[in-house]
Amino acid sequence: RKEVEQDPGPFNVPEGATVAFNCTYSNSASQSFFWYRQDCRKEPKLLMSVYSSGNEDGRFTAQLNRASQYISLLIRDSKLSDSATYLCVVGLSGGYNKLIFGAGTRLAVHP
Amino acid sequence: DAGVTQSPTHLIKTRGQQVTLRCSPKSGHDTVSWYQQALGQGPQFIFQYYEEEERQRGNFPDRFSGHQFPNYSSELNVNALLLGDSALYLCASSIRDSYNSPLHFGNGTRLTVT
Repeated sequence: RKEVEQDPGPFNVPEGATVAFNCTYSNSASQSFFWYRQDCRKEPKLLMSVYSSGNEDGRFTAQLNRASQYISLLIRDSKLSDSATYLCVVGLSGGYNKLIFGAGTRLAVHP
Repeated sequence: DAGVTQSPTHLIKTRGQQVTLRCSPKSGHDTVSWYQQALGQGPQFIFQYYEEEERQRGNFPDRFSGHQFPNYSSELNVNALLLGDSALYLCASSIRDSYNSPLHFGNGTRLTVT
């Protein structure tokens, strides 16, 4: 079983749609959680950290369920510029910031 | 404020050769991690350096080695290159004592092994 598993893509949605990505992780000792965005042939960039209480940043909402070892990302009112691959990322216990990435879910927003 | 810089941008090598990739961390960061990203996959953790020592390592063979210098910059060395080593190699920096510190990535080095 992979340490971080994500929805298989791609997701093709029209502008204005709401889309949700799911992610599960296998190590219950995981301590930190992030969503990264990666554009084609570019480096990953931090989209948002994910906290136990859930957090929102504009059109983006992230949720964490430690009991189910499940992370989600909701994008409302999709824009063409949201087209990218979204990477679910989990930090293992022990500090030192070792992060484990999922394979990513590709999102394509069309007019 | 310079971000993470990597060199070279692209590299073509032949099987069996050796390669060295370089990384300068973001200003104020003291920890450097290296990742390998194959096409269509997420980045895979290779190893991490802090205080000039390898602190954690992923599931990569000993052909992959590294170094961190006193100015926090880092090198990734790969010996006896295989075709399967072709990938985007990403360097990421962070702050050691900030437990929830996100990684900041460089643009990567795209390595092609022929």
